Amino acid sequence: DTGVSQDPRHKITKRGQNVTFRCDPISEHNRLYWYRQTLGQGPEFLTYFQNEAQLEKSRLLSDRFSAERPKGSFSTLEIQRTEQGDSAMYLCASSLGGLAGNEQYFGPGTRLTVT
Amino acid sequence: AQSVAQPEDQVNVAEGNPLTVKCTYSVSGNPYLFWYVQYPNRGLQFLLKYITGDNLVKGSYGFEAEFNKSQTSFHLKKPSALVSDSALYFCAVRDYEDSSYKLIFGSGTRLLVRP
Repeated sequence: DTGVSQDPRHKITKRGQNVTFRCDPISEHNRLYWYRQTLGQGPEFLTYFQNEAQLEKSRLLSDRFSAERPKGSFSTLEIQRTEQGDSAMYLCASSLGGLAGNEQYFGPGTRLTVT
Repeated sequence: AQSVAQPEDQVNVAEGNPLTVKCTYSVSGNPYLFWYVQYPNRGLQFLLKYITGDNLVKGSYGFEAEFNKSQTSFHLKKPSALVSDSALYFCAVRDYEDSSYKLIFGSGTRLLVRP
């Protein structure tokens, strides 16, 4: 299966700790997105990369959050000084460049629990 | 601002009966519309999309959706439901004239197909 992969699948951390998640997109996809999903809600957009350039960030992405895609391939999402409100499923998606209507393909997500 | 409404938290249908999951949207320009399905502890799987052209689009697993511009709706349909269709369904929109590629999701509709 050459779909989008995310690591780890689950992360439990204590409040105040830093966490980092990794996303590996489908290899030929140059667009990469991060979303956050809380229970009972649809995914909410966090940020978007085209190749290595971070082109948009949501207001949901506070200063404690940072995302990178250093070589235009995999991406990392780091949360510093985690808070209980950060507990959620973090989803990564990728899509082909070119046509604006290309669908996004999602990874299985990383479930973060902050205790 | 873009938004998506899924007015039903849950839809119940008997196996073999037709199903409809409702979605309405709001965008300032022309919409790109998507349906995704989410199974427990899994990421979102792409089902189908409307970009342009025929108002009736067909997708995976026998699902189809009808775009209605005057009613700003994009309802998901299937002629004969299967128990295995039971899952969480999300409608999403992207504004064609928005340079961002982010998707705006509805809150989801849980489909329960009883044997």
